[in-house]
Amino acid sequence: DTAVSQTPKYLVTQMGNDKSIKCEQNLGHDTMYWYKQDSKKFLKIMFSYNNKELIINETVPNRFSPKSPDKAHLNLHINSLELGDSAVYFCASNSPNYNSPLHFGNGTRLTVT
Amino acid sequence: GESVGLHLPTLSVQEGDNSIINCAYSNSASDYFIWYKQESGKGPQFIIDIRSNMDKRQGQRVTVLLNKTVKHLSLQIAATQPGDSAVYFCAENLGIQGAQKLVFGQGTRLTINP
Repeated sequence: DTAVSQTPKYLVTQMGNDKSIKCEQNLGHDTMYWYKQDSKKFLKIMFSYNNKELIINETVPNRFSPKSPDKAHLNLHINSLELGDSAVYFCASNSPNYNSPLHFGNGTRLTVT
Repeated sequence: GESVGLHLPTLSVQEGDNSIINCAYSNSASDYFIWYKQESGKGPQFIIDIRSNMDKRQGQRVTVLLNKTVKHLSLQIAATQPGDSAVYFCAENLGIQGAQKLVFGQGTRLTINP
């Protein structure tokens, strides 16, 4: 069973549209994250939630809005999509222990045309 | 700081040989470091970690070395296998209470030649 699962795996859409990516973890972790990986494979943190509370909010355009309905889910909604939003988005989670490794999902490849 | 490279560094190794992947980190205050492996079409997978109060840690076929003086991290993979072919990332934790804030290196593509 996949520990951190994201849907959809692929998402192709046009500029200006609004889309959502869903993430669920069944590891019982309290903390969840969204990372963005660009075409050069560079990984950068976007957001982190701890038990439904926003902890980390990097310099991400406010077109990106995370939503955590419960501690097992962290969804990412993106408004008014732009070409530069094309990337692979990874969800991750870990336990509250400070040095607990992150577990990543397999990513959602977003292509904006 | 963050590293952004124009090209992903590559390393080719013969199967069965040992490989060493190097990484420079930026923040002297970082106290936790992790190596991740990313295979094509998958998310990063945890390999091994090390805390700043250690300079070496060993796992199964992998060893991580930490040199805080020069802010350098390395990953040694012994007796490489075809399944070791992947992109490897180091990461340092600039975390805060309740969450890790991982800053990733640019990644190194390791290719194991049969």
